[in-house]
Amino acid sequence: AQSVTQLGSHVSVSEGALVLLRCNYSSSVPPYLFWYVQYPNQGLQLLLKYTSAATLVKGINGFEAEFKKSETSFHLTKPSAHMSDAAEYFCAVSGSNTGNQFYFGTGTSLTVIP
Amino acid sequence: DTGVSQNPRHKITKRGQNVTFRCDPISEHNRLYWYRQTLGQGPEFLTYFQNEAQLEKSRLLSDRFSAERPKGSFSTLEIQRTEQGDSAMYLCASSPGGRVDGYTFGSGTRLTVV
Repeated sequence: AQSVTQLGSHVSVSEGALVLLRCNYSSSVPPYLFWYVQYPNQGLQLLLKYTSAATLVKGINGFEAEFKKSETSFHLTKPSAHMSDAAEYFCAVSGSNTGNQFYFGTGTSLTVIP
Repeated sequence: DTGVSQNPRHKITKRGQNVTFRCDPISEHNRLYWYRQTLGQGPEFLTYFQNEAQLEKSRLLSDRFSAERPKGSFSTLEIQRTEQGDSAMYLCASSPGGRVDGYTFGSGTRLTVV
């Protein structure tokens, strides 16, 4: 079975500070992992994805994530938060035994304090 | 590439009424997905089409729900005899290939059942 757990439903950081959003996954097969961002009343936008190539993945808007198999983690980071980063972030997992569906976490709401 | 388009953006309906939503995927994407997102939760898988064939259905998709993709292009999701518990954001997504590609989401249809 596949699942993801996002630790911290709400994260607040100061503008210019490091952003760290946590995601741990559970998978019985090699996973594909994704981070999506959702702005209010909008759909989800793909930030980055891990599909078994490089373990450090760079995405859009300065975000990156590192796949750590030993820790079953795929945490999202950004060195310096910007006001425009305030949004809801979702981690998702799929794998060869999940059919074609993705399993999403419950999301982390990021607030950026000026 | 005009993205994934969903209509309407908002729908308010009385309990017991039928509603239909439309999704127009990215034209070259042969895979189309419907997800439901309730407040404070991540998206939950409803169903998946490859071209016109509906290949997967979640148990969340009760008998009151039906989805079609008649010519392998746009898709419709119909909910019959709506209930208050159906109130949610209904998201459509498309992708060009398999689970490694990630999805492109539409902006969603927000359904409120009163």
